[in-house]
Amino acid sequence: KAGVTQTPRYLIKTRGQQVTLSCSPISGHRSVSWYQQTPGQGLQFLFEYFSETQRNKGNFPGRFSGRQFSNSRSEMNVSTLELGDSALYLCASSSGTSGARRETQYFGPGTRLLVL
Amino acid sequence: DAKTTQPPSMDCAEGRAANLPCNHSTISGNEYVYWYRQIHSQGPQYIIHGLKNNETNEMASLIITEDRKSSTLILPHATLRDTAVYYCIVIKAAGNKLTFGGGTRVLVKP
Repeated sequence: KAGVTQTPRYLIKTRGQQVTLSCSPISGHRSVSWYQQTPGQGLQFLFEYFSETQRNKGNFPGRFSGRQFSNSRSEMNVSTLELGDSALYLCASSSGTSGARRETQYFGPGTRLLVL
Repeated sequence: DAKTTQPPSMDCAEGRAANLPCNHSTISGNEYVYWYRQIHSQGPQYIIHGLKNNETNEMASLIITEDRKSSTLILPHATLRDTAVYYCIVIKAAGNKLTFGGGTRVLVKP
């Protein structure tokens, strides 16, 4: 099975611009979670989508948004970029259907965003 | 989710077993122990997880103490490609918010 893929892998933007990142989960996985990783803050949860609906949300401002399509592919968007948004953005997928049992999340390679 | 404590760094000789400890003294009954690793600038890689019993897969073995307050990840024959930051995390049965602490930076030396 192919793993989680993310595009683009690297991105340079300037303050005030907006950016859209894409994630394709493992085939058959319906849950996609997004994370931001920085050296200072570590790994921080952004949001999770399951069956095109946002199921969980972290503590990020409204500039960070996402969506999921019927084929489970997901996008996240960051508007009005700030210097502090420079980070590695990671997408993780899981099957999302087991209910009570913990689901293993598999991460993609990430998109490294640099805001100048 | 319970907090975990790991040593910040450790060295290991290539070809030898690497034993990575993790303390999770506040773990509750429905929480799983998960291990991930992250090689520089790449996405975290799932290694193994367990609830009560010891687990083994093609990558590693996970030994969980009987009281579940600590665990050890064993890489049986470390290679240079195992150099990475290893994260031990504890997660409830439901919920998807992963949080990584500082992890253990493992350096495998020739």
